[in-house]
Amino acid sequence: GQNIDQPTEMTATEGAIVQINCTYQTSGFNGLFWYQQHAGEAPTFLSYNVLDGLEEKGRFSSFLSRSKGYSYLLLKELQMKDSASYLCASFVYGNNRLAFGKGNQVVVIP
Amino acid sequence: DAGVIQSPRHEVTEMGQEVTLRCKPISGHNSLFWYRQTMMRGLELLIYFNNNVPIDDSGMPEDRFSAKMPNASFSTLKIQPSEPRDSAVYFCASSLEAYDLAKNIQYFGAGTRLSVL
Repeated sequence: GQNIDQPTEMTATEGAIVQINCTYQTSGFNGLFWYQQHAGEAPTFLSYNVLDGLEEKGRFSSFLSRSKGYSYLLLKELQMKDSASYLCASFVYGNNRLAFGKGNQVVVIP
Repeated sequence: DAGVIQSPRHEVTEMGQEVTLRCKPISGHNSLFWYRQTMMRGLELLIYFNNNVPIDDSGMPEDRFSAKMPNASFSTLKIQPSEPRDSAVYFCASSLEAYDLAKNIQYFGAGTRLSVL
């Protein structure tokens, strides 16, 4: 299957670093996507990983370990606007679907 | 580009009524997706189209739900008859190409918040 598991909520201080984890169990797995969703808004694309390792995009980085079925999103220098839900989604060739986790709510406090 | 456009933004209806949600994908995108999001179940894929053809409708909950894509710039999701358990936010998304991971970055519309009383 494509069970996606994410912890549900975390609180962090402005300027801090937070790591959001995602584990998946899937056969035929081919990539892992991260989306950000502010309350009441649509999900917006952040990054994707296909190969093992770290992909850096400004304050956000995403890591993938295919052998461990594990990914994380790293948010650095947290800002208040980073308060949102962060969803990971696996992509499997064949069914060509994105299977989303339920998301991890990050609350940034001053 | 204006992005993915959905209408209406909000819909309140009574149980048993027909509901039609509309979506205009990003011009040039070949793949279109309909999702439903609830607190309990998260974001679920209902159906997706590639080049206007339905490819996978395994997420459509039951026969009350139907979706069409008559042309490359328009799609509808219809619920008939609607039930209170259909209350959710329905998102439409589009991507360049569903079959290629690198081209399957999905861009979401603002969603339709449906309340069935």
